[in-house]
Amino acid sequence: DGGITQSPKYLFRKEGQNVTLSCEQNLNHDAMYWYRQDPGQGLRLIYYSQIVNDFQKGDIAEGYSVSREKKESFPLTVTSAQKNPTAFYLCASSIRESNYGYTFGSGTRLTVV
Amino acid sequence: AQKITQTQPGMFVQEKEAVTLDCTYDTSDQSYGLFWYKQPSSGEMIFLIYQGSYDEQNATEGRYSLNFQKARKSANLVISASQLGDSAMYFCAMREGYNTNAGKSTFGDGTTLTVKP
Repeated sequence: DGGITQSPKYLFRKEGQNVTLSCEQNLNHDAMYWYRQDPGQGLRLIYYSQIVNDFQKGDIAEGYSVSREKKESFPLTVTSAQKNPTAFYLCASSIRESNYGYTFGSGTRLTVV
Repeated sequence: AQKITQTQPGMFVQEKEAVTLDCTYDTSDQSYGLFWYKQPSSGEMIFLIYQGSYDEQNATEGRYSLNFQKARKSANLVISASQLGDSAMYFCAMREGYNTNAGKSTFGDGTTLTVKP
């Protein structure tokens, strides 16, 4: 079955560490997105990519970095510059010509220890 | 800038009854899409329904319908015949552009729906 796989499901980060969240899709979708969700709140866009080797900053890109070397993959690195990284991270994908919503992964819960 | 407002942090509904979840939006664009997503306690977001800004008829998908009032900039979700499995958080979202995913989406803060047996 096609879908989006996010790993790991839970991730713990020590102060000053960089960590990378994986997002892989086999839906042949062009666009991919990273959102952050804090408890009881909506989703805020971190980065998005419409095509391979190209991506744009979202509303809260500071302290994060991404790459899009393959259509299927859009990893997110949470750097030590992100001062409050504890949150739920959701990856999504979509096709370009669409009146359909995003397909989301099951999320990664990141905690700073 | 686009903004989505969901004014109901929490809603309760009796099983088998209908419920309306409110969503208002603000945009200066003429072309946009409106979406509703469901987020169960597992965390995964599930797409429910879409309404384009030029669509003249309200969208329907099974028990879900979208009450689109363009002049009032509202896009309320109506769930008919509520089921216990409908208990979840519901998010309204807006995406710039019509019938394209070239733009990014903005989400509201969500409404937690609890269905009572």
